[in-house]
Amino acid sequence: TAGITQAPTSQILAAGRSMTLRCTQDMRHNAMYWYRQDLGLGLRLIHYSNTAGTTGKGEVPDGYSVSRANTDDFPLTLASAVPSQTSVYFCASSDSTEADTQYFGPGTRLTVL
Amino acid sequence: GQNIDQPTEMTATEGAIVQINCTYQTSGFNGLFWYQQHAGEAPTFLSYNVLDGLEEKGRFSSFLSRSKGYSYLLLKELQMKDSASYLCAVRDSNYQLIWGAGTKLIIKP
Repeated sequence: TAGITQAPTSQILAAGRSMTLRCTQDMRHNAMYWYRQDLGLGLRLIHYSNTAGTTGKGEVPDGYSVSRANTDDFPLTLASAVPSQTSVYFCASSDSTEADTQYFGPGTRLTVL
Repeated sequence: GQNIDQPTEMTATEGAIVQINCTYQTSGFNGLFWYQQHAGEAPTFLSYNVLDGLEEKGRFSSFLSRSKGYSYLLLKELQMKDSASYLCAVRDSNYQLIWGAGTKLIIKP
């Protein structure tokens, strides 16, 4: 199985433009997450979804939005990108919020100029 | 606030043993995870501890002391492919993972 896929692999974006980072999992996991990873910092949770149709805010949600229309997909949208959103973005999933391991996608490297 | 501390970088020799420590202060505790992350790649799961004691999995072991807010990851018989960052994460009372910044492990021949 593919597990979790993310697209694009990398992107350079002009400040003020919008962009959607895509994330798809084929493991039928209920919970999905978006993190950003910056040098010298731990992974920081942006948004999460415990199940299809529900979403919640993480530690650093400002400037980002998500939707969870179905089990498999969890896109992350930057409405108007700013340079401080330059980061590596990881999508992850787990079979429930109370149990298990989070499995990560390969990441999207985003540069906002 | 919530805090996970681990050393920034460690160096070890191929074939040796290395211990990577993690201390935490979180609002609640519902388990501690160790992940491995090679440069430019995604984190991958290594181990999970929720009760005190040692969990062994091949060359890797993980220890937890909840009363001390402390864990370590022990890597034995180090191989060059073990060069990576090792991330400690604690699941808090809201069942969200709080992540340390990671320990970059450099293996020398």
